[in-house]
This record gives sequence, C-alpha cells and structure tokens, in this order.
Amino acid sequence: AQTVTQSQPEMSVQEAETVTLSCTYDTSESNYYLFWYKQPPSRQMILVIRQEAYKQQNATENRFSVNFQKAAKSFSLKISDSQLGDTAMYFCALTEYGNKLVFGAGTILRVKS
Amino acid sequence: DTGVSQDPRHKITKRGQNVTFRCDPISEHNRLYWYRQTLGQGPEFLTYFQNEAQLEKSRLLSDRFSAERPKGSFSTLEIQRTEQGDSAMYLCASSLDWTPDQEQYFGPGTRLTVT
Repeated sequence: AQTVTQSQPEMSVQEAETVTLSCTYDTSESNYYLFWYKQPPSRQMILVIRQEAYKQQNATENRFSVNFQKAAKSFSLKISDSQLGDTAMYFCALTEYGNKLVFGAGTILRVKS
Repeated sequence: DTGVSQDPRHKITKRGQNVTFRCDPISEHNRLYWYRQTLGQGPEFLTYFQNEAQLEKSRLLSDRFSAERPKGSFSTLEIQRTEQGDSAMYLCASSLDWTPDQEQYFGPGTRLTVT
C-alpha cells in the first residue's frame, strides 16, 4: 500500500528566507510520481512541483525545488526567498499509475514579515 | 474555461437527510476524481471516473455514497442518510488523461456540515 508521511505539522519562516518541508513515502513500485500541492487559506489546491521517480535530476520551478532521495524514499520541498503569498498548507502526494493521489497529512507554512 | 467548479460551496444538513454535490471539470478533461478532506488532514481518495466509467471506489465509499458522471461531463456525489462523521470538505479534481504525470486540477470544494 502507498503511504505518505509529513512529520512537520507546522512551520514558520521569515520573509525572504529559505525553508524546507519534509516528506517520506512508501511504495512497492519502481516508477511513480511525487507532487507537492499548495492549499492557501480558503482557496483551492494548486500544483507546486512534480517529480518522476525515474528521473535522477531534482525538479525545480522558480523558487521551489525538491530534494528527491529515491533510496531513502524522501521527497523534501525547498522554498527559497519565501514570500507572504507562500503561506498555505502544503501537501506531499504520490501516484503510482495515475489513478489517484495519496496525500500526506500536510504541513502548515506561515511566512512572517 | 476558468477551472473546476463545485456546487454548492457549503451545505448544512440534518443527520439522516440526503445530499447531492455537483462537480464541473475542465471541459476537455477525461478524468474526474472525488476526495474527502477532514479538518487538519490531507485529502483521501473516494472514487474516480474515466469519461463516464467509474473505475475505482475506495473502501471509504460506503453504500450510502454514490457517484455518477453521465455523458462524461459533470459528476454528482450523493450521500444518503447522512451521519455526523460525513462532515468534511468534498473535493473534486480533473485531469486531462490517465497518465500518472498529469496534474490534477482541484475545485474549491463543498464543505458539508451534518448537525
């Protein structure tokens, strides 16, 4: 069975600083996709970044990057130059065949000015 | 098309009543998913459709729950004989096709409160 674990319920960071959110997962498949989704307060969830397990290179999207460690089944999200608009709940998610996403419990990130 | 829409946004109902939620996906998207999210938790998968065919249902989806996607367009999720434990945010998402790299686009959700 697929599982996703986010061990940091809440985190805070000062504006313009860097923060890393942790995620570990478990799957029996050799290929799968990992995602980070952002859910701002009272707004809908949007995709931040995705990573295919077969790709060794870590994905980056502007200020967002991941540290994908396949052997350790770890998938952390780094946010550089944090902005007030980054305040949100962040979910790590896994899909094996594209039929469904399995989410972690989420990490609340608060960016302080 | 402005994205996935859901109606209603909020629903308060009394225990034992039936409720129905609607989801309109992005128009060219073949896949449609339903998730349930309780406070402080991540979304949990309920069911998904490929066009009009319902391909998988979670064990969370008891026989009081039914979902349809007639003609492969909008979808409805009905809960019969609601219970207080059904109180949650019900999220709909859609994706262009079945490949696992596809982004799922989420709607704003329907928040259900059962009193």
